[in-house]
Amino acid sequence: GAGVSQTPSNKVTEKGKYVELRCDPISGHTALYWYRQSLGQGPEFLIYFQGTGAADDSGLPNDRFFAVRPEGSVSTLKIQRTERGDSAVYLCASSPTGRETQYFGPGTRLLVL
Amino acid sequence: AQSVTQLGSHVSVSEGALVLLRCNYSSSVPPYLFWYVQYPNQGLQLLLKYTTGATLVKGINGFEAEFKKSETSFHLTKPSAHMSDAAEYFCAVSVPRANAGGTSYGKLTFGQGTILTVHP
Repeated sequence: GAGVSQTPSNKVTEKGKYVELRCDPISGHTALYWYRQSLGQGPEFLIYFQGTGAADDSGLPNDRFFAVRPEGSVSTLKIQRTERGDSAVYLCASSPTGRETQYFGPGTRLLVL
Repeated sequence: AQSVTQLGSHVSVSEGALVLLRCNYSSSVPPYLFWYVQYPNQGLQLLLKYTTGATLVKGINGFEAEFKKSETSFHLTKPSAHMSDAAEYFCAVSVPRANAGGTSYGKLTFGQGTILTVHP
């Protein structure tokens, strides 16, 4: 079946702009995770949704970052006033209930100029 | 808080040689442990995981790893490397949490990654 999909695959923006990154989890998966992978680093946790609610948002670096999952399926990661340091690959993962393996999408590569 | 250290950012082996990628973790409670592989321009793919039970776990593509609590290690091995094994490998840890519906895996904390090169 279809895996986790993320759009766009690449995003180039200018410093100070607003961006939205989208994640479509595997159908029926209630748990959804966002991670950020900077160049040469391992992924870092940002936020975890269980259904529509954020069960753990301890990884969001500051209040410029926000994520929603209004209907419990698709999620959008929103970054305001982007900075060059936000440049990274943003990964989304999902699992059936949060009690199983996380399946990762291909990521969105964000470049802030 | 949990953490993961992968010893060696780059490992190079000959085709047919043993692959050994090292991972040590830190966790205040018994962790769940994972190895993921990332091929160029692709998403992370699970190789294997340890949750409970047998400490030697076998994964896909001939890889295996052994959970050693006394050494806080979860090293990844493969007896004979193939050219197709060339990729970046990530060790990860999570802290399982019991709740009404069972035990949730929680967020993953990853190591820095090890790039494996396989030469003919």
